[in-house]
Amino acid sequence: GAVVSQHPSRVICKSGTSVKIECRSLDFQATTMFWYRQFPKQSLMLMATSNEGSKATYEQGVEKDKFLINHASLTLSTLTVTSAHPEDSSFYICSARNAASQQETQYFGPGTRLLVL
Amino acid sequence: QQQVKQSPQSLIVQKGGISIINCAYENTAFDYFPWYQQFPGKGPALLIAIRPDVSEKKEGRFTISFNKSAKQFSLHIMDSQPGDSATYFCAASYDTGRRALTFGSGTRLQVQP
Repeated sequence: GAVVSQHPSRVICKSGTSVKIECRSLDFQATTMFWYRQFPKQSLMLMATSNEGSKATYEQGVEKDKFLINHASLTLSTLTVTSAHPEDSSFYICSARNAASQQETQYFGPGTRLLVL
Repeated sequence: QQQVKQSPQSLIVQKGGISIINCAYENTAFDYFPWYQQFPGKGPALLIAIRPDVSEKKEGRFTISFNKSAKQFSLHIMDSQPGDSATYFCAASYDTGRRALTFGSGTRLQVQP
């Protein structure tokens, strides 16, 4: 199956700093990538859709100025949590769709654990 | 408004038994229904998926049953093994161009040896 990687796998930062998370599709091109947030023992909540070459689409209630998304190539999307606070601590997961196959399948990355002190 | 309802919240099954997880959806525009398996600290992995033009799909020990009129679909895990212990999520999507997934709330499955 298709492989999606994330980096870093976990990060600890101080309150007020910014953190960048990378999501890469390793063996396919993805015009669309998705960013999710998952709190402990809860489901995945879609934060935004990352479109290559255009602005990201944010879900209702997600602050676009706080969660900056850049999708500069068909294999890389980045999520930057700006001025992170303890309430931003969560598990962030990306997924990607294979544009060439036009399949509905989303392949998920391994996730990034963010802890803001 | 939750568009995909999943039950049960947790499930304990003996080794070799059948695990059954159910989902119901509201939006009739949904046309793709995947199931994902997630282990603690890991990202979800696609298990099996179905489209509404078929009523059942089987891959190994995993089967999806789909009832379009009832707007329900379920995952059956045959011969459940301790290694199947994980959280399972149903999801649904429809063609809006981006195909965002709407997830169920998840079911924590524990298979006892």
